[in-house]
Amino acid sequence: QKEVEQNSGPLSVPEGAIASLNCTYSDRGSQSFFWYRQYSGKSPELIMFIYSNGDKEDGRFTAQLNKASQYVSLLIRDSQPSDSATYLCAVNGLNTGFQKLVFGTGTRLLVSP
Amino acid sequence: EAGVAQSPRYKIIEKRQSVAFWCNPISGHATLYWYQQILGQGPKLLIQFQNNGVVDDSQLPKDRFSAERLKGVDSTLKIQPAKLEDSAVYLCASSGSDRSHGYTFGSGTRLTVV
Repeated sequence: QKEVEQNSGPLSVPEGAIASLNCTYSDRGSQSFFWYRQYSGKSPELIMFIYSNGDKEDGRFTAQLNKASQYVSLLIRDSQPSDSATYLCAVNGLNTGFQKLVFGTGTRLLVSP
Repeated sequence: EAGVAQSPRYKIIEKRQSVAFWCNPISGHATLYWYQQILGQGPKLLIQFQNNGVVDDSQLPKDRFSAERLKGVDSTLKIQPAKLEDSAVYLCASSGSDRSHGYTFGSGTRLTVV
């Protein structure tokens, strides 16, 4: 079983719709969770992080965490064509006391005008 | 604040040649990471430094890859000899004491081995 699993997609949504991206992880000791956005040919950029169960909202983005189910999701409201990118889920597994992010393979999102 | 600097941006080499990548992290960031990202995959950690010490190099192919961070600031990743399967983007990232910031990535070096 992979440490962090994501559906590779592509996930296609029309402009203005809600995009829902999902991620599961295997390490129950994981404590923090991150969503990165990566445009083609570019490096990943952090868009959301969450530590506690429940929802965390930032603008059009909402991260949801359910530690009992080992599940993290990212909702993008009012999706725009500029949101078309690969979204990487990353989970923090403590490594000898230091932060260590393990990444999923990413979900490619396509938002059509 | 200045970001993570990496060079070169692109590199094309023949198999069995050697190559080196350079990274300068964000000032004050004690932790530096090298990731390998193969096309269509997520980044895979190669090596993690805390200051100038290695925290994790379990996935570094040590027969051909080496990395150093001698003064606890900038770092160099070397591949010698390169194989075709080393074609990837090599990403450097750094993080500070505030874990809520995750990592900040450099622009990466795209390596093509022919």
